Amino acid sequence: SYELTQPPSVSVSPGQTARITCSGDALPKQYVYWYLQSPGRAPVVVIYKDTERPSEIPERFSGTSSGTTATLTISGVQAEDEADYYCQSADSDETSWVFGGGTRLTVL
Amino acid sequence: QDQLVQSGGEVKKPGASVKVSCKASSDTIINYGFSWLRQAPGQGLEWLGWVSLYTIETKYAERFQGRVTMTTDTSTRTVYLELRSLTSDDSAVYYCARDNPPNTVTNTYYGMDVWGQGTTVTVSS
Repeated sequence: SYELTQPPSVSVSPGQTARITCSGDALPKQYVYWYLQSPGRAPVVVIYKDTERPSEIPERFSGTSSGTTATLTISGVQAEDEADYYCQSADSDETSWVFGGGTRLTVL
Repeated sequence: QDQLVQSGGEVKKPGASVKVSCKASSDTIINYGFSWLRQAPGQGLEWLGWVSLYTIETKYAERFQGRVTMTTDTSTRTVYLELRSLTSDDSAVYYCARDNPPNTVTNTYYGMDVWGQGTTVTVSS
């Protein structure tokens, strides 16, 4: 079955830039979506269709996708950004949504 | 404000079935379909499938085929997830989310942008 691969953890100091990657063979042809999940809460979409940001999400969140790797970038990381982040995309047959295993962002 | 309100937590024995509901708060949300997802304790998100509120079209993740059924009640703006033959591996928080199916990404698709609060299902003997 199709898999999306994320690093288990990323750590940055406040004010630095955090980059979280998501790799998958179908990404050249499929959009990627990124979600932030705080403990005990439902996920929140922070990036959709590779690069688009919902209006209520801070500008420090941005997304790119090139080839088989998509990247979520958080510029000027704040303590409140500490959370789990998941990427989502469709498999090559577009029959299933697939999620990456998640990346825990720690703000040092 | 668009909201999805899910039913309360469930405790089931192995081999039993569970049915979870997800009710849309307003008519503005009901032109969409809904995905069901789950998250086992300390684990990531897993997609179970998608259902259209109006057309009753469904798409199920391959690993749940034959064990899951998603249904709708348009009169109450409610979608349902039924999962059968439960094992301890099915213990998780189950979420509904406003969504399109994987093969239909329209101009107005913003990802899973509205989520229910989650329903905890515990399977234990």
